[in-house]
Amino acid sequence: EDQVTQSPEALRLQEGESSSLNCSYTVSGLRGLFWYRQDPGKGPEFLFTLYSAGEEKEKERLKATLTKKESFLHITAPKPEDSATYLCAVGGNKAAGNKLTFGGGTRVLVKP
Amino acid sequence: NAGVTQTPKFRILKIGQSMTLQCTQDMNHNYMYWYRQDPGMGLKLIYYSVGAGITDKGEVPNGYNVSRSTTEDFPLRLELAAPSQTSVYFCASSYLKRDSYEQYFGPGTRLTVT
Repeated sequence: EDQVTQSPEALRLQEGESSSLNCSYTVSGLRGLFWYRQDPGKGPEFLFTLYSAGEEKEKERLKATLTKKESFLHITAPKPEDSATYLCAVGGNKAAGNKLTFGGGTRVLVKP
Repeated sequence: NAGVTQTPKFRILKIGQSMTLQCTQDMNHNYMYWYRQDPGMGLKLIYYSVGAGITDKGEVPNGYNVSRSTTEDFPLRLELAAPSQTSVYFCASSYLKRDSYEQYFGPGTRLTVT
């Protein structure tokens, strides 16, 4: 059974204070590691997909990296508008409907 | 494109009542999914569909039913509402393109059962 664990559960940052979120996973045959952003009262918004160890992707102040056991989402010099819950998910077998298994999320609050 | 749309946005049900949550996507995606999200938690898969006429159970299917008669629509049915079904429900869709299958989510339906 695929499992995803995110840490920490919550993170309070001062504006400009860089930090990293962790996503540990166990999956039989990784077909993708996905990061989403979720604002309060809204649906998750897709950020990145990583496919193989060593891969990195960036978007504005966010950078996602992947190893064989975990992924990190680095937030560089965050701004208050980066406050959100960040969800990590792993993709499994195509034959099983391209299902994603989600972690519990990390709630990030960036104070000005 | 409107993407994934869900109706209603909010609903209060009494125990034992029934309702259907509607989900429509206009991206011609083959795959569609229903999730529930409890406060402070991640997403749990209820049901999914790989195409019109094909559905299968996810992690938490008890108390729910689905159908997929068209590519665009994937309604979720609650037959006998229970307080344990109080949650936020998200519909999502995805396609397969060069092994890329990120899911796109609707805005959610907040359901309270009392």
